[in-house]
Amino acid sequence: EPEVTQTPSHQVTQMGQEVILRCVPISNHLYFYWYRQILGQKVEFLVSFYNNEISEKSEIFDDQFSVERPDGSNFTLKIRSTKLEDSAMYFCASTTGMGTPSFNEQFFGPGTRLTVL
Amino acid sequence: AQSVSQHNHHVILSEAASLELGCNYSYGGTVNLFWYVQYPGQHLQLLLKYFSGDPLVKGIKGFEAEFIKSKFSFNLRKPSVQWSDTAEYFCAVNARAGSYQLTFGKGTKLSVIP
Repeated sequence: EPEVTQTPSHQVTQMGQEVILRCVPISNHLYFYWYRQILGQKVEFLVSFYNNEISEKSEIFDDQFSVERPDGSNFTLKIRSTKLEDSAMYFCASTTGMGTPSFNEQFFGPGTRLTVL
Repeated sequence: AQSVSQHNHHVILSEAASLELGCNYSYGGTVNLFWYVQYPGQHLQLLLKYFSGDPLVKGIKGFEAEFIKSKFSFNLRKPSVQWSDTAEYFCAVNARAGSYQLTFGKGTKLSVIP
């Protein structure tokens, strides 16, 4: 069964460093998402991406965040200068392009745990 | 802005007990409703979803949920839980008006005792 994969599973970084979290969505999916979950809190939407551009972003997704689909398979989230409060589990998700996207199941990856020291 | 409330943080049940997990949302427009489950060490996966039609929807593994529009609720139920249902359950809402994002509740951890 196809699945969303994410690497690395755990990333430890120093405050102020740049990190890139990688995701490989399901191959025929067209809509891509990033969510995060700070420990003990809700899963929060960060950004959605379609047709090589951001289609929607939350207030959390400020200028220090960026997303990219550098090739036909990867979808990345870059945090330019990490802060302590960026420590969280980051989930990638993808959705088929068939029908209405909001009706479709979002398939989630296993997450990358980011720890900022 | 829409929000989702899950009232139970941790529920502990014995096997064969019945389950009901509460979910309420606040959004005045038309919504799509989802329940996701995260088994220990695994990723979020969809249990069931509601878009329109019959407000009682059936999902995988014997789960069902009922949409009650007047109460802004979408409670998850299972008549008889098993030890393998031990997991965290997340209610999520998508506001249909052109938004793709899911708004999640805080999750309910279910522990089933054999």
